[in-house]
Amino acid sequence: AQRVTQPEKLLSVFKGAPVELKCNYSYSGSPELFWYVQYSRQRLQLLLRHISRESIKGFTADLNKGETSFHLKKPFAQEEDSAMYYCALNLGTGFQKLVFGTGTRLLVSP
Amino acid sequence: DAGVIQSPRHEVTEMGQEVTLRCKPISGHNSLFWYRQTMMRGLELLIYFNNNVPIDDSGMPEDRFSAKMPNASFSTLKIQPSEPRDSAVYFCASSFRRGSVRDQPQHFGDGTRLSIL
Repeated sequence: AQRVTQPEKLLSVFKGAPVELKCNYSYSGSPELFWYVQYSRQRLQLLLRHISRESIKGFTADLNKGETSFHLKKPFAQEEDSAMYYCALNLGTGFQKLVFGTGTRLLVSP
Repeated sequence: DAGVIQSPRHEVTEMGQEVTLRCKPISGHNSLFWYRQTMMRGLELLIYFNNNVPIDDSGMPEDRFSAKMPNASFSTLKIQPSEPRDSAVYFCASSFRRGSVRDQPQHFGDGTRLSIL
């Protein structure tokens, strides 16, 4: 089955600590993966996509096909990073058909 | 640009009533998505429109759910009759798709929190 798994519902770290939000996927084709973020009282928005190989707000994510993972990382967490993070997989059936994980809440404490 | 606009923000109604959720996509976008978010199942795609035409409705849970897009600037998601298990947050998203070029990112609305009593 095609799915995205985010094993942690909550990740709590202190400011300045490294962060890794885990995402594993199950997909038989060539995967296209995304990270979406929802800050408090804001809309769900795209954070980054693996094809762009970019770093947004200090976050990076590398697609590891061997481990079927797309973990989101940041070396030094900031309080403003506190939010819900969703990993999404594009099933790629002719349009951007996204399957989302259940999300991980990141809480960065001072 | 105000982004994707959804209304109402909150809806509380009794089971059996008809519920209509509304969405105004970003001007110029030609793809529109309806999602449902629940604690148990997370965020699920219900239906996708491209150029006002429903392309994939495989996520629509049952016949009580219907969606329309009469023009490029408006879409509705209707539940009739509603049931308590339909309680969820319903999101609308829009994006721009041009031929075979990779889709632009989806922009989400604030969602409608629906409670069926």
